[in-house]
Amino acid sequence: LAKTTQPISMDSYEGQEVNITCSHNNIATNDYITWYQQFPSQGPRFIIQGYKTKVTNEVASLFIPADRKSSTLSLPRVSLSDTAVYYCLVTSGGQNFVFGPGTRLSVLP
Amino acid sequence: GAGVSQSPSNKVTEKGKDVELRCDPISGHTALYWYRQSLGQGLEFLIYFQGNSAPDKSGLPSDRFSAERTGGSVSTLTIQRTQQEDSAVYLCASSFLSLAVQETQYFGPGTRLLVL
Repeated sequence: LAKTTQPISMDSYEGQEVNITCSHNNIATNDYITWYQQFPSQGPRFIIQGYKTKVTNEVASLFIPADRKSSTLSLPRVSLSDTAVYYCLVTSGGQNFVFGPGTRLSVLP
Repeated sequence: GAGVSQSPSNKVTEKGKDVELRCDPISGHTALYWYRQSLGQGLEFLIYFQGNSAPDKSGLPSDRFSAERTGGSVSTLTIQRTQQEDSAVYLCASSFLSLAVQETQYFGPGTRLLVL
């Protein structure tokens, strides 16, 4: 299973764009990259998933370079309610249960 | 539709007692996962059920931990002779097709276990 590395914490201000980068140097050909968000006292929630290039949904964008050894979650114009822990996962053949420590994002007013 | 539900939401027990935690996955989901999350930490994988296949128990921390899934639906995680280090939030998740790498997990609210 590919190991992921992401910053432990990040601070931002309301209205700014936040980019969280995850490294996954030994990602395999069939692996996908998935991001989850977790608020205090709740279970994680799916945000976005991608294989290569760029994926965008109503919540975020995911940028994946050609070598796929990293990915960047982009949150446009964050608000206080985006304060949460963000997890990057590499999903491998159905075995998508390796969650790292995540990135704790704090959005300040 | 209904999401993943877990019960109880909170459980306080004494060291040495056995506890049972229940998970009701989303109807039709074939895969079910149990995780443990200690305060301020990431998720620790415990066990994974996929359809009628033998479960992946590789994450269970000791033989005091066991889980079963009856009829491919409800799952129970049992912790025998609880220890204080077992105190954590126990999260359950389910997904539709476990063999597809792009399937996503839907998490329940968790059970907060405190062992005194």
